[in-house]
Amino acid sequence: NAGVTQTPKFQVLKTGQSMTLQCAQDMNHEYMSWYRQDPGMGLRLIHYSVGAGITDQGEVPNGYNVSRSTTEDFPLRLLSAAPSQTSVYFCASRRGGNSPLHFGNGTRLTVT
Amino acid sequence: DQQVKQNSPSLSVQEGRISILNCDYTNSMFDYFLWYKKYPAEGPTFLISISSIKDKNEDGRFTVFLNKSAKHLSLHIVPSQPGDSAVYFCAASESYAQGAQKLVFGQGTRLTINP
Repeated sequence: NAGVTQTPKFQVLKTGQSMTLQCAQDMNHEYMSWYRQDPGMGLRLIHYSVGAGITDQGEVPNGYNVSRSTTEDFPLRLLSAAPSQTSVYFCASRRGGNSPLHFGNGTRLTVT
Repeated sequence: DQQVKQNSPSLSVQEGRISILNCDYTNSMFDYFLWYKKYPAEGPTFLISISSIKDKNEDGRFTVFLNKSAKHLSLHIVPSQPGDSAVYFCAASESYAQGAQKLVFGQGTRLTINP
């Protein structure tokens, strides 16, 4: 099992560019989510999905889009990158009940 | 408004001693709490959790204590080992077992174990 796989590991964008952060899991988890980690702020929820075709907003959704066409994949799209989106992004998934979140290794994004 | 707070950004403990990491929360509706450990350049990994119906949960060297009246939880690591040096995040959720996805994280505490 690869678990949760995120690509790319690093990315540098110019302000206004768009890109997609990829996330895939091979554990057949129904729940997937995206977090960003910023210094002194812990991890904050951007968007989440409770199953294929179903997504919803988290705490900091502005500037990001998501879709969930399959159980395995949950890409995060930055529509027009801004320096405030410089962060480390983590994708996570879990089963139902009290199962814990499993995280990928993150994508470090810098917007100049 | 920070619903989950870890007021100690860092903690230094001697190897073999007890490490105690603290976490406070404000939302009385939180019913499930988790601790994660994070090494540099890796994602957080799950350590231990506790439901609000319990006040203690143990897993090997790790014990989590929950004080609902004080809205406080703590993670005890005994004995501390060099490999425990990492950033520790506490997290909380409402209705977690019912499929809630909004896990609220604290800011993290960097634990350093000195030989």
